[in-house]
Amino acid sequence: GNSVTQMEGPVTLSEEAFLTINCTYTATGYPSLFWYVQYPGEGLQLLLKATKADDKGSNKGFEATYRKETTSFHLEKGSVQVSDSAVYFCALWPEAQKLVFGQGTRLTINP
Amino acid sequence: DAGVTQSPTHLIKTRGQQVTLRCSPKSGHDTVSWYQQALGQGPQFIFQYYEEEERQRGNFPDRFSGHQFPNYSSELNVNALLLGDSALYLCASSSWTSGPYNEQFFGPGTRLTVL
Repeated sequence: GNSVTQMEGPVTLSEEAFLTINCTYTATGYPSLFWYVQYPGEGLQLLLKATKADDKGSNKGFEATYRKETTSFHLEKGSVQVSDSAVYFCALWPEAQKLVFGQGTRLTINP
Repeated sequence: DAGVTQSPTHLIKTRGQQVTLRCSPKSGHDTVSWYQQALGQGPQFIFQYYEEEERQRGNFPDRFSGHQFPNYSSELNVNALLLGDSALYLCASSSWTSGPYNEQFFGPGTRLTVL
């Protein structure tokens, strides 16, 4: 079946540190891949997406590259800020309108 | 432009009761999907409505049912509540006619607690 596995959290970093959150997936066919972010008390917001192999999604300094050979979509940011503290979800879209999410990774950035 | 809105924000029920959650989609959207997010977990797809019909359904029992109205708003009903139904219920809207992979916009959710 279709599934997403994210690195275990929580992750705590200092401001300006480099961030990597690992995400691997299992899916048939050629799914689209997403990263969503959930700030405290808010709903999910789409952070970035990639719809085919080797695509790089980017937004707000975050990047992720769709790697079909390793079935991965790792999230990276070169210099994190306190405002990046949130829960991050990797998700895949194997069928229209039906997202499959990972378990989420809680990120805390200390000043 | 209002985004996706959900009501109520919080709800407390007891086991065996029934609950109705409501969602208004983003302006211009005609498709509503519902997700259940248990504490510390990722959201799980419950079902999706378009043109007032359930189009897709996840692995949830028949106690979970829904409805979509002509104005595209939607309700999620849960009967015979169990303790395990305690979760954040998220509504997401999108535009069916914009293509199958159009972005879903999420509401802030309804926090349901079953005692």
